[in-house]
Amino acid sequence: DAGITQSPRYKITETGRQVTLMCHQTWSHSYMFWYRQDLGHGLRLIYYSAAADITDKGEVPDGYVVSRSKTENFPLTLESATRSQTSVYFCASSESNRGVYEQYFGPGTRLTVT
Amino acid sequence: AQSVTQLGSHVSVSEGALVLLRCNYSSSVPPYLFWYVQYPNQGLQLLLKYTSAATLVKGINGFEAEFKKSETSFHLTKPSAHMSDAAEYFCAVRGYNTDKLIFGTGTRLQVFP
Repeated sequence: DAGITQSPRYKITETGRQVTLMCHQTWSHSYMFWYRQDLGHGLRLIYYSAAADITDKGEVPDGYVVSRSKTENFPLTLESATRSQTSVYFCASSESNRGVYEQYFGPGTRLTVT
Repeated sequence: AQSVTQLGSHVSVSEGALVLLRCNYSSSVPPYLFWYVQYPNQGLQLLLKYTSAATLVKGINGFEAEFKKSETSFHLTKPSAHMSDAAEYFCAVRGYNTDKLIFGTGTRLQVFP
């Protein structure tokens, strides 16, 4: 299907475990983003990528790792999950990160760390 | 640095009433402005965006927003609320020559019958 997809949609994991959230887009957009959404904080940028093999930190990168070996995929890994990482995670993509270009969002992954 | 403020984390209106969601930005140069909507358990979806072509911007689902430089505002309005408008709304700003899209903290709109 065309668009941007995330998997899994829901995940429960234990403290200290590694977990990877997947993001896939079919538009060949150059830019991809990972956000977390928490009550009272709105959306906060974790990491973003301008192209394959180019990634950069956002506002809240600690505890997360990203990679982008292919343009269409942008996985987010929590190397050792903590309860503070319980959140809803959104992936987004865009043709550009400047000017009038909007970001297109996936449906989100709700992660619970117990 | 760019910032965006959404006044009112919750707004409640009756069905058929005017919807007004407030957004103010800080910028010395008119930026690019966006309104997104998030329905329950979904991702964000673009409602409309300001690109400097016109100060009154029309979006989807009957929403519109007016850019007012003198007030540094980009408030979102809809003349008549519908039950299906119940959602969370986010204002976002990107500076003229920057690569960061800054989101507000969101306003939850409730619509009562």
